[in-house]
This record gives sequence, structure tokens and C-alpha cells, in this order.
Amino acid sequence: DTEVTQTPKHLVMGMTNKKSLKCEQHMGHRAMYWYKQKAKKPPELMFVYSYEKLSINESVPSRFSPECPNSSLLNLHLHALQPEDSALYLCASSHGQGGQGGELFFGEGSRLTVL
Amino acid sequence: SQELEQSPQSLIVQEGKNLTINCTSSKTLYGLYWYKQKYGEGLIFLMMLQKGGEEKSHEKITAKLDEKKQQSSLHITASQPSHAGIYLCGADNPGTYKYIFGTGTRLKVLA
Repeated sequence: DTEVTQTPKHLVMGMTNKKSLKCEQHMGHRAMYWYKQKAKKPPELMFVYSYEKLSINESVPSRFSPECPNSSLLNLHLHALQPEDSALYLCASSHGQGGQGGELFFGEGSRLTVL
Repeated sequence: SQELEQSPQSLIVQEGKNLTINCTSSKTLYGLYWYKQKYGEGLIFLMMLQKGGEEKSHEKITAKLDEKKQQSSLHITASQPSHAGIYLCGADNPGTYKYIFGTGTRLKVLA
């Protein structure tokens, strides 16, 4: 059983919709990550939060807006997405001690389809 | 920026056969991680290597790190259908949380 929980598992949205992806972990990890994965490609880093502060934004378009309300929760707010944004969105967490991540613990992902 | 290249891209083997997957970094490796992903699911951590020459094993999977060559290999002995999936190497850099993944190797094991 994964200790990183992502909801929803599947999401279908129109280009004018506003929706959110949610991620939760209760392992006391201080670093949390969002990755985007297209079919037959490796995960691509989008955002990293360390100690609840945004530490990495990999030049992600502003239609993706991350939020870290507390050390256990990570959200990804979606607005005015394009069909090419359809992908598997993966959340991960790590101990995040000393500025190094260590191994990542992944959720099962949220499959997003933009119509 | 650092890139991780894996070879082969895909592999189909008969059950019981041994196989090796390689991961080569474009920059110095400080930590190398191996993950397995089932299709459409999250990644599962397998092993972490941090020192040159380090070798770790778990069940039938052995990983090695050649720091000088900026390369790691993952070897599966006597493969089983349960080994099927996508294998990804990952790397991070000291002082940052920038964690990247290799190009991936898709493994099929025929029963």
C-alpha cells in the first residue's frame, strides 16, 4: 500500500474548467514533488516544495498552480488547460534532510484528460 | 543540465533468463536510484547507490555504481513475469531537490 495518497485517480476536464489534484502524506516528509508523465516518457519534474516553501519551479506554465497548505498536503490547481496537458500527474515525497531528497515515495498518480 | 540515458529502451526476455539495464549520466553522479513502474502507476523505489563501486542486491536484482564512468547497471537474475514493468534510474544533486529520471527501460518477461 502506498503511503502517498493522490486524488482523484482519474479526471476529465474541459479547457475552461478549474479543477485541483490533491496529494497527502503522513510520513513526516518535508519535501514534496509534482511530476508530469506522458505516455512512454519518464516523469518530468514540475514543482518541488521543501518545508512548505516552493523551492523549484521548472518553468511550468501558469495554468498550473501549486499549493502546499501544510507539511502533509500538496495541491495542484488546474485552470484553462490544453489537450496536450493530458498526462499522468505524479506526486512524491522524501525526507528532504540536508537539502538532499533521498529516495522518493510516489502516489499512484492522477490520470488527467483535457477535452 | 544533467541527463540520464538508459539502454536498452525495451527488452523482451524469456522467463528464467538474466538481463542487464544500463544508466549513463551526462554529469557526475552523487546518488543514483533505481525505481520500477507498473504501467500507468506510481514508481516504486528499488535501490540507492551512493559510492563508487557500491553494489546492492535485493532478491534477484543487483545494482552497481561505476562513479568514474558515471554509469550504473541493474542486473536481474532468472527473470520472472513479476519483473515486467518500466525500470527508471534517478539522480539528485547535493543541496538541491532537483530529482531527474532516466529515459526508462520497458521490460517484458515471457512465461
